[in-house]
Amino acid sequence: EVQLVESGGGLVQPGGSLKLSCAASGFTFSGSAMHWVRQASGKGLEWVGRIRNKANSYATAFAASLKGRLTISRDDSKNTAYLQMDSLKTDDTAVYYCARFDETLRVFDVWGLGTRVTVSS
Amino acid sequence: QTVVTQEPSFSVSPGGTITLTCGLSSGSVSISHYPNWYQQTPGQAPRTLIYSTNTRSSGVPDRFSGSILGKKAALTITGAQADDECDYYCALYMGSGIWVFGGGTKLTVL
Repeated sequence: EVQLVESGGGLVQPGGSLKLSCAASGFTFSGSAMHWVRQASGKGLEWVGRIRNKANSYATAFAASLKGRLTISRDDSKNTAYLQMDSLKTDDTAVYYCARFDETLRVFDVWGLGTRVTVSS
Repeated sequence: QTVVTQEPSFSVSPGGTITLTCGLSSGSVSISHYPNWYQQTPGQAPRTLIYSTNTRSSGVPDRFSGSILGKKAALTITGAQADDECDYYCALYMGSGIWVFGGGTKLTVL
C-alpha cells in the first residue's frame, strides 16, 4: 500500500525549531519528489516547499513567505523526507502534510494524514 | 506576490451543476499553470480530483471535470450529490518549482 506518515509535530515555543518527518512506503521513494503543505485550523491549504530526487540534484524550493526559515531534506536510505522549521512563529501553527509529487503528471498524488504543530508559549 | 483566487463559498441543489473557478490576482490561468483540484473533508487529508487542467485522478467519477474558462481554471461538478459537500482547492504552478494553492471554496449541497 502506498503510504505517507508524518511525525514530529507537537508544542513548541515561539522562536524555537522543529523537524518533521515523512516516512514513505509502498513506492520507490528515491525516485519521487516530495512536497510539504500546511493548513492552519479553519484555513486553506498553503504550499510550503519541496525537494526533488537525486537525479534532479535534490533541488529544493520554498514558499517566498517562508524562505529562510525552512530546510527540506531527505534520506533515501530511510525512505523519509524532513521539514525543519526555525524561528517559529505563532502563525506557523498548522497541520503539516507531506505529499508525493508526480513530476511527469504535475500532481500531488499521494498525501499523508498530517502532523499538528502548535507554536505557543 | 500573485494570489490564487477562488470563490469562498458556493451552494448547489442536489442533482444540479456547478462550476468553481480558480483565477490569478494578476494575469490569466493557462495550461502552463498545470491547474490541479483537490477535495477536502474537514479533518481529512486532501484528495486529488483533477490535474493538468482536465485529467481526472484514478477513481474520480466523471461528474467532475476540469477546464480553462476564459482567464480562469474551472472545476465543474454535474449531478451534485450530498457527499460532494466539502472544501475544494485549486493549485497552480508558478514556475521555479513554486506552487500556490487558492483559498478554497466551501461547497454546500442543499
